Amino acid sequence: GENVEQHPSTLSVQEGDSAVIKCTYSDSASNYFPWYKQELGKRPQLIIDIRSNVGEKKDQRIAVTLNKTAKHFSLHITETQPEDSAVYFCAVTPGEGGKLIFGQGTELSVKP
Amino acid sequence: ETGVTQTPRHLVMGMTNKKSLKCEQHLGHNAMYWYKQSAKKPLELMFVYSLEERVENNSVPSRFSPECPNSSHLFLHLHTLQPEDSALYLCASSQRGLAGYNEQFFGPGTRLTVL
Repeated sequence: GENVEQHPSTLSVQEGDSAVIKCTYSDSASNYFPWYKQELGKRPQLIIDIRSNVGEKKDQRIAVTLNKTAKHFSLHITETQPEDSAVYFCAVTPGEGGKLIFGQGTELSVKP
Repeated sequence: ETGVTQTPRHLVMGMTNKKSLKCEQHLGHNAMYWYKQSAKKPLELMFVYSLEERVENNSVPSRFSPECPNSSHLFLHLHTLQPEDSALYLCASSQRGLAGYNEQFFGPGTRLTVL
């Protein structure tokens, strides 16, 4: 089955710096790659997603890049702010299935 | 109430108890999911229902029994649980279209403690 690896598990940056989180997957048929943000005590919420026919997508300070050949995708957050502090999960939808396989999560801490 | 709701928000039960978790989605979606979230672990998919039919069951122990009576409601029946089943149980819903499945919307979760 699909295997998703996410790195790093923890990331600490200074306010204003950029943060990058990377995920790799194993199933070349995977076609949907969302990123979720989960603040402490709250539900995961989608922040950005990308489909397999697109290489990059940007929404204000966040962007996702996808390299299908290498089977990895990354979340980029620029000009980080303290409110960006949360756990970020990548996920993959393998093939025709509707399920999401989640990465292990990255705890991002933005220090003021 | 909008989005995805779950009740109860917190549940403490003994190993011999029987309880049920309830999820309701107000988004008109046609797929619903149960996830388990334990500390230091990724979100683990337990069950997927699409058009009220179970399409995925990820080798979950039989002490967890899902029920989807209609496209808006999803239950997780619990019996004779173990302490290691203590976790946050999240429900989600999404709309399955021609392009496949789309964004999943999560409920607030039920924090379950098994004594």
